[in-house]
Amino acid sequence: DAGVTQSPTHLIKTRGQQVTLRCSPKSGHDTVSWYQQALGQGPQFIFQYYEEEERQRGNFPDRFSGHQFPNYSSELNVNALLLGDSALYLCASSLMAGAFYGYTFGSGTRLTVV
Amino acid sequence: KQEVTQIPAALSVPEGENLVLNCSFTDSAIYNLQWFRQDPGKGLTSLLLIQSSQREQTSGRLNASLDKSSGRSTLYIAASQPGDSATYLCAAEGRGSQGNLIFGKGTKLSVKP
Repeated sequence: DAGVTQSPTHLIKTRGQQVTLRCSPKSGHDTVSWYQQALGQGPQFIFQYYEEEERQRGNFPDRFSGHQFPNYSSELNVNALLLGDSALYLCASSLMAGAFYGYTFGSGTRLTVV
Repeated sequence: KQEVTQIPAALSVPEGENLVLNCSFTDSAIYNLQWFRQDPGKGLTSLLLIQSSQREQTSGRLNASLDKSSGRSTLYIAASQPGDSATYLCAAEGRGSQGNLIFGKGTKLSVKP
């Protein structure tokens, strides 16, 4: 049973560019959340997608946007990259209805903005 | 606004010792609390989930407790091993903001052989 898979694992972008990160949820999960983790910090919530809609959003600017596809996979897009966007981006999946067993996280995408 | 604090920030113990990691949260109206382990540069591995109606959960050498009235959770690790070395994060999910996990900064644990 595959867990949460994220791609790519590492990425280097130039300031001002745009980036797309991808996430496939754990089998049986229907909800995807994205988090940003700066070095030495705990992850910070970006947004959550369920039924192809953004359900909740954290304190992140509109440069951060996302999408969820009918197969529950998700993308995180960041426009006009800043040096401060360099971080580990984590995807977490869960089940919205029924028995809740917590959140399953992927291994993350390490984004470096130069 | 929910805030989560983990103390200590770092902990070094000899192999075999029992230890307790602490997590405190400011808003007792939580939906659940989850403990994670993170190895350097890696993602998060779920250890234990305690739902709001529960007081504790156990898995192998790990035991997590939840006291909503005092805003505290503890993770107890028995008979620590070098392989337990990692950063341990706790995350609280609030009622009304389900899906939004609020994390502490973690406790970096080092178990010396």
